[in-house]
Amino acid sequence: ILNVEQSPQSLHVQEGDSTNFTCSFPSSNFYALHWYRWETAKSPEALFVMTLNGDEKKKGRISATLNTKEGYSYLYIKGSQPEDSATYLCAFLSDSWGKLQFGAGTQVVVTP
Amino acid sequence: DGGITQSPKYLFRKEGQNVTLSCEQNLNHDAMYWYRQDPGQGLRLIYYSQIVNDFQKGDIAEGYSVSREKKESFPLTVTSAQKNPTAFYLCASSPGTGWSYNEQFFGPGTRLTVL
Repeated sequence: ILNVEQSPQSLHVQEGDSTNFTCSFPSSNFYALHWYRWETAKSPEALFVMTLNGDEKKKGRISATLNTKEGYSYLYIKGSQPEDSATYLCAFLSDSWGKLQFGAGTQVVVTP
Repeated sequence: DGGITQSPKYLFRKEGQNVTLSCEQNLNHDAMYWYRQDPGQGLRLIYYSQIVNDFQKGDIAEGYSVSREKKESFPLTVTSAQKNPTAFYLCASSPGTGWSYNEQFFGPGTRLTVL
């Protein structure tokens, strides 16, 4: 089982502030890095699937970067809003069969 | 609406009983997955299926069984051999594992409590 680490485990952000957090994964046998957002009482939803070193993806106020050589990805939230409150999961794909290894998540709480 | 349904949302069972969790998808996806979530841990893969009538063990398959008789259905049975079955169970699907970069789509989950 591969080690995917997310930090911090949780963070509290004031509405309007920007924040970022990290996903670390093994730098070998890289196929893809997925980010999911999991809101309370809902199903996890995909944010990004990143495949290339140096990839940068953006969806609204949320963006992500990828460094496959050193094994990390950052997720950024610009101008946080209460609706951004969720647990953000990253998942590492190390084979072609779709077997994802998930981190434990970063719980983000945005307070008005 | 296309999506994944899991039932029931909450399930209580006595120790020693087998229980089957339902997962159905109408997304026409080839691949389906079962994950388990425990507090403070990432989702862990129990079983996955790439195609009808085929499935493989994930990282924590002991004490679980699955079947894939239909493309849209991937039920999970938690047997009495599973030593610590109380957990939150998520089902997911993706268009195909051959397209290894495809995102996974998740159901709402079933919370199983063994008394």
